[in-house]
Amino acid sequence: AQSVTQLDSHVSVSEGTPVLLRCNYSSSYSPSLFWYVQHPNKGLQLLLKYTSAATLVKGINGFEAEFKKSETSFHLTKPSAHMSDAAEYFCVVSDRVSNDYKLSFGAGTTVTVRA
Amino acid sequence: GAGVSQSPRYKVAKRGQDVALRCDPISGHVSLFWYQQALGQGPEFLTYFQNEAQLDKSGLPSDRFFAERPEGSVSTLKIQRTQQEDSAVYLCASSLNRGTDTQYFGPGTRLTVL
Repeated sequence: AQSVTQLDSHVSVSEGTPVLLRCNYSSSYSPSLFWYVQHPNKGLQLLLKYTSAATLVKGINGFEAEFKKSETSFHLTKPSAHMSDAAEYFCVVSDRVSNDYKLSFGAGTTVTVRA
Repeated sequence: GAGVSQSPRYKVAKRGQDVALRCDPISGHVSLFWYQQALGQGPEFLTYFQNEAQLDKSGLPSDRFFAERPEGSVSTLKIQRTQQEDSAVYLCASSLNRGTDTQYFGPGTRLTVL
């Protein structure tokens, strides 16, 4: 069975400073890993995904994440936070071998951006 | 283009009532998923359709929950005899082909059971 642990339930940053959201995963097989963002009253939007290619994955809106198998981590970063980045972020895992359509979500990290 | 749409966006039900939640996937998407998101939690998988076939319903919490997709497009999630613990946001997602393709989510239906 696969699961993810988001290490911070809430992150607060100043506008223009870096953002780091931490995620560790557990997976029996080769994982697919995703980061989704959820703005209030909006649907979940895919930021980026890792399947099996390059370990450094670039996504939309300047976000990127690095897959580190030795650390079982998939942390999300952005060099400079913008006010519009304030939202809920979910780290997600699925197994590419079995039941790979079933997404397992972390509990989420709430990001606030201070002006 | 149009994304996944869900209706109603908000539903208030009295305990014991039946409710029906609708999902319109992106046109042409073969796969459709339902998730349940409790307050302060991440979404949890409920069920998966490929066209009209329900291939996985392992996440449905009880036999009061029923989902269908009779023509392989629109889907309905029905909850019978609602309980307070059913209060949550119900999310629908669709993907183009196989379930492993990127899932696109709708805005959700917030169900409150009084």
